[in-house]
Amino acid sequence: GEDVEQSLFLSVREGDSSVINCTYTDSSSTYLYWYKQEPGAGLQLLTYIFSNMDMKQDQRLTVLLNKKDKHLSLRIADTQTGDSAIYFCAASGDKIIFGKGTRLHILP
Amino acid sequence: GAVVSQHPSRVICKSGTSVKIECRSLDFQATTMFWYRQFPKQSLMLMATSNEGSKATYEQGVEKDKFLINHASLTLSTLTVTSAHPEDSSFYICSASSGTLNYGYTFGSGTRLTVV
Repeated sequence: GEDVEQSLFLSVREGDSSVINCTYTDSSSTYLYWYKQEPGAGLQLLTYIFSNMDMKQDQRLTVLLNKKDKHLSLRIADTQTGDSAIYFCAASGDKIIFGKGTRLHILP
Repeated sequence: GAVVSQHPSRVICKSGTSVKIECRSLDFQATTMFWYRQFPKQSLMLMATSNEGSKATYEQGVEKDKFLINHASLTLSTLTVTSAHPEDSSFYICSASSGTLNYGYTFGSGTRLTVV
């Protein structure tokens, strides 16, 4: 079946950039998403990119898409303690498939 | 725009009882709604897909008779957990799509179900 994979854990020092990577298998995916989940809360849509785009920037967030390699990344510039959360990558075609999530840990 | 309201956000019920979770699209017509379940420390698991006016399509391993899904209108889908057991305790999330949104899907905020 279709799959979305991402590393489970990332540690970054406060002020540095965080880069969370994701790969997906469904080449027909039309939208790629990044969601943020804080403890005890629901998913928060951070950003999305349409499959015909290579890059999207939104304030501190930069999404890069390599459609050929089916690779998606999320870069968070100037990482803050409030960025500590689990980040889910998701790909949508006929249905939306989520990765397992990357837990971002901020080091002081 | 494109808001999905999910209710309740938290519910505690006794074993053997049934619990209904509602998912409403507030400002768009949701032709398709999805129900997910999240196990601790795991990703969301798609349970079923429902199209308005049709029977839901369940993913493999999901019991249809236990997780009843109704999508009777373009703005409301419900998930009923019947004869709940403690192992049904989980975080349930719905999402909706109209097919015309510029970012595909909108998620509800989730329901934390605890069966005691």
